[in-house]
Amino acid sequence: QKEVEQNSGPLSVPEGAIASLNCTYSDRVSQSFFWYRQYSGKSPELIMSIYSNGDKEDGRFTAQLNKASQYVSLLIRDSQPSDSATYLCAVHQSQGNLIFGKGTKLSVKP
Amino acid sequence: SAVISQKPSRDICQRGTSLTIQCQVDSQVTMMFWYRQQPGQSLTLIATANQGSEATYESGFVIDKFPISRPNLTFSTLTVSNMSPEDSSIYLCSVEEPGSTGELFFGEGSRLTVL
Repeated sequence: QKEVEQNSGPLSVPEGAIASLNCTYSDRVSQSFFWYRQYSGKSPELIMSIYSNGDKEDGRFTAQLNKASQYVSLLIRDSQPSDSATYLCAVHQSQGNLIFGKGTKLSVKP
Repeated sequence: SAVISQKPSRDICQRGTSLTIQCQVDSQVTMMFWYRQQPGQSLTLIATANQGSEATYESGFVIDKFPISRPNLTFSTLTVSNMSPEDSSIYLCSVEEPGSTGELFFGEGSRLTVL
């Protein structure tokens, strides 16, 4: 069974620090990977996508992909209290759907 | 990205009843999916809503319990039938837009509580 694994947290970081979120996946043929942010009571919101090995930066967010290790990560620099949310790692399947990890709850303390 | 509207946003239902959730997209999309998010859990795919044909269900989900319609490229419904308290969840409609590279966008969700 195809799986996406994340540490559930909670991950607590002080304001201004770097938050590091990790994800591993089981399906070696997967080519597209996504990070979603979900605030409590809200639906998931896409924040990053990555398709190639290496780093991809967008503002304070950096996604990292290592297909050989089947590993995806998300770094949030200069963390803000407004970044406090659950972060979901998602892996694209050939049928078009995404498989989601259980999410990591991030808490940024002022 | 497409604007995805779901109705109802929340409802409280009695055991044994059925409820239909509507998903309306403001543009034509090829792929539409229905997910469930149980309390404190991540998203689980219920089915792919196929336009003009029967939905494709994931393991553990059946058409009798979760009938799905998709009459056109902008609209779909999910019915939760003969509800029990275990069906209390958030149900999310999601779409993949034409030309996208796999990302999905979500509606606001429908929070169902079954008493």
